[in-house]
Amino acid sequence: EAEVAQSPRYKITEKSQAVAFWCDPISGHATLYWYRQILGQGPELLVQFQDESVVDDSQLPKDRFSAERLKGVDSTLKIQPAELGDSAMYLCASSRRGMQFFGPGTRLTVL
Amino acid sequence: EDQVTQSPEALRLQEGESSSLNCSYTVSGLRGLFWYRQDPGKGPEFLFTLYSAGEEKEKERLKATLTKKESFLHITAPKPEDSATYLCAVLHPRNTDKLIFGTGTRLQVFP
Repeated sequence: EAEVAQSPRYKITEKSQAVAFWCDPISGHATLYWYRQILGQGPELLVQFQDESVVDDSQLPKDRFSAERLKGVDSTLKIQPAELGDSAMYLCASSRRGMQFFGPGTRLTVL
Repeated sequence: EDQVTQSPEALRLQEGESSSLNCSYTVSGLRGLFWYRQDPGKGPEFLFTLYSAGEEKEKERLKATLTKKESFLHITAPKPEDSATYLCAVLHPRNTDKLIFGTGTRLQVFP
């Protein structure tokens, strides 16, 4: 069964450092999402791509976060510089016909 | 404001003790409601999609129902392996590829 792949699974960094997360969606899924999930809360959408175009990045802190999906397939989310409050689970999802499927996530800890 | 509220926040059940989780929503013109299961440290796993009031879906010990204001996830004779956080989400009324999540119900089932 096809799955959304993410790497790394865990990342520990110091504040002010740069971090990057990678996501490979399910083959054929044109829509890709990055979510942030703080412990004890539901996922919050950061950015949504349709193919290589950004559809919604209204909740993305653009002063430090960036996301790209250059060829409309895999995607990278970057944080520079990381802050203590960025510690969270970063989830990638892809969808087809309105059904979203999530990857395993990247647990980020900022020290 | 478009919002999803789940209750209770946490639920402890004895194995075999049936119960229900609630998801209430305030969005105009519901286009779809989703239930996900999330195990600690993992991404959400899709369970059900409901589209119209009166609709019901079942999977093993789980049954999801939908009214015009809320959805219930009924768990019949739960087992310890049903322990997880259950997330409810609705499609955004103006961006139907975007999900608005609740904060989840953390379920623990004891033998």
